[in-house]
Amino acid sequence: AQTVTQSQPEMSVQEAETVTLSCTYDTSESDYYLFWYKQPPSRQMILVIRQEAYKQQNATENRFSVNFQKAAKSFSLKISDSQLGDAAMYFCAYRQLGSGGSNYKLTFGKGTLLTVNP
Amino acid sequence: GAVVSQHPSWVICKSGTSVKIECRSLDFQATTMFWYRQFPKQSLMLMATSNEGSKATYEQGVEKDKFLINHASLTLSTLTVTSAHPEDSSFYICSAGTQGTLNSPLHFGNGTRLTVT
Repeated sequence: AQTVTQSQPEMSVQEAETVTLSCTYDTSESDYYLFWYKQPPSRQMILVIRQEAYKQQNATENRFSVNFQKAAKSFSLKISDSQLGDAAMYFCAYRQLGSGGSNYKLTFGKGTLLTVNP
Repeated sequence: GAVVSQHPSWVICKSGTSVKIECRSLDFQATTMFWYRQFPKQSLMLMATSNEGSKATYEQGVEKDKFLINHASLTLSTLTVTSAHPEDSSFYICSAGTQGTLNSPLHFGNGTRLTVT
């Protein structure tokens, strides 16, 4: 079974600074998807960024970028120019490739609570 | 963008009663829906996967007779917590996707906070 590990229960960053959240995963698959989700206090799950394992290029979305190291099974999230609105719980998630309903399920890490200090 | 509506957003019920939570995809057909449970300050734990028109697939340790899932249409899945007890108090979130969509599922409901007294 696939597992996702986030080793940082909590992180803090100063506003306008850069922070990196760590994520490692374990899988025997060669193709899969990885995601970072943000859950603010409202508890709405918001997709931050996604990465297809077969793509070597790291995904970027404005101030958010990932460092995807497939061999090391590492998928870290970098937030640049941190803003107060970035404060939230961040979850790393894995999804295997393939058709069939159950294949679309996400396996989540335990999350990292990010605090942004003004 | 695609919207998933989950209702109610919060509910309080008495121990021993049943409560139904609805998850609707508003502008797309959701062939697959997922139900998660989240305890405070913890991660989302998958409870079950429901496919339209077929029985749900439950994760190990989840009581299928207690958490009844119905996915009768392409836009609606329901989770019924039967004979609820205080330990069932939690935050329940649904997620919906369309089979064949490369990055499915991406769309989450806003969640339901269940309190059993």
